[in-house]
Amino acid sequence: KNEVEQSPQNLTAQEGEFITINCSYSVGISALHWLQQHPGGGIVSLFMLSSGKKKHGRLIATINIQEKHSSLHITASHPRDSAVYICAVRTGNQFYFGTGTSLTVIP
Amino acid sequence: NAGVTQTPKFQVLKTGQSMTLQCAQDMNHEYMSWYRQDPGMGLRLIHYSVGAGITDQGEVPNGYNVSRSTTEDFPLRLLSAAPSQTSVYFCASSRQGRTGELFFGEGSRLTVL
Repeated sequence: KNEVEQSPQNLTAQEGEFITINCSYSVGISALHWLQQHPGGGIVSLFMLSSGKKKHGRLIATINIQEKHSSLHITASHPRDSAVYICAVRTGNQFYFGTGTSLTVIP
Repeated sequence: NAGVTQTPKFQVLKTGQSMTLQCAQDMNHEYMSWYRQDPGMGLRLIHYSVGAGITDQGEVPNGYNVSRSTTEDFPLRLLSAAPSQTSVYFCASSRQGRTGELFFGEGSRLTVL
């Protein structure tokens, strides 16, 4: 069973393109997290959402609690955005993670 | 600010050996957790703790043991390593409650021969 589903699994974009990564989940949650994992392996938190929308620079995250869906948008993509983006949901004290979206931005 | 410190970064074990992965955080976070990351699969929760003296099982706890004697430290013990435990392990911490952002250690790559 997969509590968290992400799409697409892989994404290649040209520099400057607008990118959307989707996350759907099947459990009741207290928060949803978007994480970034670079090829070196380290994982950093980008956003934590429980409702609405958040924006950090060129990154925007939205969540629709009723539809159990979240999106991560990257505007004006850049090669340094190349990474794996992971959606995670918190339900109680348990976290469930998507398998990640591997993004490659070509100059 | 050290954040979450995880050691060792790399370890090779033989089947049946035991070892401990160390995790320490300096942010006074109540919640600490261990995950394994395998190719093609999302991170999976092994064990977690919501405070000193309190631990609980996650999705894949078998073969692993944890303890939480202090707020700062949350070691993960492999009692008798098996090849199926070859993986990359991450420790993470957060404040308790719905507003807790997750902070990850750098990961530990474990190979069991």
